[in-house]
Parts: sequence; C-alpha cells; structure tokens
Amino acid sequence: EADIYQTPRYLVIGTGKKITLECSQTMGHDKMYWYQQDPGMELHLIHYSYGVNSTEKGDLSSESTVSRIRTEHFPLTLESARPSHTSQYLCASSVTSGKESSYNEQFFGPGTRLTVL
Amino acid sequence: AQSVSQHNHHVILSEAASLELGCNYSYGGTVNLFWYVQYPGQHLQLLLKYFSGDPLVKGIKGFEAEFIKSKFSFNLRKPSVQWSDTAEYFCAVIGDYKLSFGAGTTVTVRA
Repeated sequence: EADIYQTPRYLVIGTGKKITLECSQTMGHDKMYWYQQDPGMELHLIHYSYGVNSTEKGDLSSESTVSRIRTEHFPLTLESARPSHTSQYLCASSVTSGKESSYNEQFFGPGTRLTVL
Repeated sequence: AQSVSQHNHHVILSEAASLELGCNYSYGGTVNLFWYVQYPGQHLQLLLKYFSGDPLVKGIKGFEAEFIKSKFSFNLRKPSVQWSDTAEYFCAVIGDYKLSFGAGTTVTVRA
C-alpha cells in the first residue's frame, strides 16, 4: 500500500548526540518536505526537496540537514542534538501532476516526536 | 510572503451542534487552499481543498468550506458534529511554492 513512513515515532536522547530521523514514501512522489511543529503552534517548513540531489532550506531556520539520494528517501540529521531541538518533526510528500486536483496536495507521515534532554 | 490565521485556538461543543472554524490568509496572488485534520494519534490528513471553480467545496465526513476571495477567507463548516470529530484542524494555503499552515484549532466534541 502506498504510504509515507517515519521512524522512529518517538525518540528521547541526550544532548550532543547525533540523530537521524528517517522518512520514506512509496507513492512515487517527487517532492518531499520536513516540517517542525511545537504544541499549539503552526507547522513550519524547515527543508524541502524537488527531487533527487535537490534540497532547500525552508522558512524556519534549522540546524538540521537533509539529503535526497533516492526518490523515496528523505532523512533529516542533527549532528549534535540540543534541548532546543525538542519538537515534533513531520515529513510530507507531494507530486506535481497534470491533474489540477492533485497539484500541490501534500501527504503526511505520522511524525517523530523528539525530546532532547 | 503568505500567512494563515485561524481565529480559534480551542473550540468545545456538544454533539449535534454546528461547527464553524475561521481561516484567513494573506497573499496577493492566486492561492490553493486546504483544510487538514489530525485525529488523536493519527497522521495529518486532507479534509478538503479548493483550487478553482465553485467556491463552496465539500470534503470528507460531511465537512464543507467556502472560499470568499474578497475576504481572503476559507472557513470550515459542519452542520452537526459527532464525538468522532474531536481533532485538531489546520487551515493551509499555497500561494508561491510553499504550503503555509495556520496554528490549528483543537475541537473537542462532548458526547
């Protein structure tokens, strides 16, 4: 079944550790996104990719980095986690389609809730 | 730059009551508008969307939304809510290439 997956769902880790949040989609979408969401706040775009080897920073400045080596995979890495990185991270994907009804619709993964102690 | 404003942070109502959630956006050009819903413990999922044509759009589970261009609004409505509508609702807009979200409205429906 076509879907978008994120692992881990929950992660509690100490300050200074390197972490990678995984995101994979089996929908064949070319565009992928990472959002950060704090409780009661809007989602903020932190990274996006229009395809393989394409990555861009979003609206919200983030110390994380991303890579897009394969179409289906868009991992997010924090080299040295800090308590300020505690948040929920949502991955999404979309396809540029000839059908207007599909254009720009984004599909979301379940999210990773990260806590940095 | 585009932005989205949702009027209510938390709405509490009883079953069978009517629901209306306000959403206003700021962007000078053509927009695509969305309402997303996140049920407890589940993915964020699309409720309905507007691209063009009839400004009154119908979505899943009896929800509808009306695009009023002159008011830059895209309010969500449901005539009679159920307990299962308890969720967080996000309005979103694409003006340029990015999807911008409102802060969300938590809806609690009491049985």
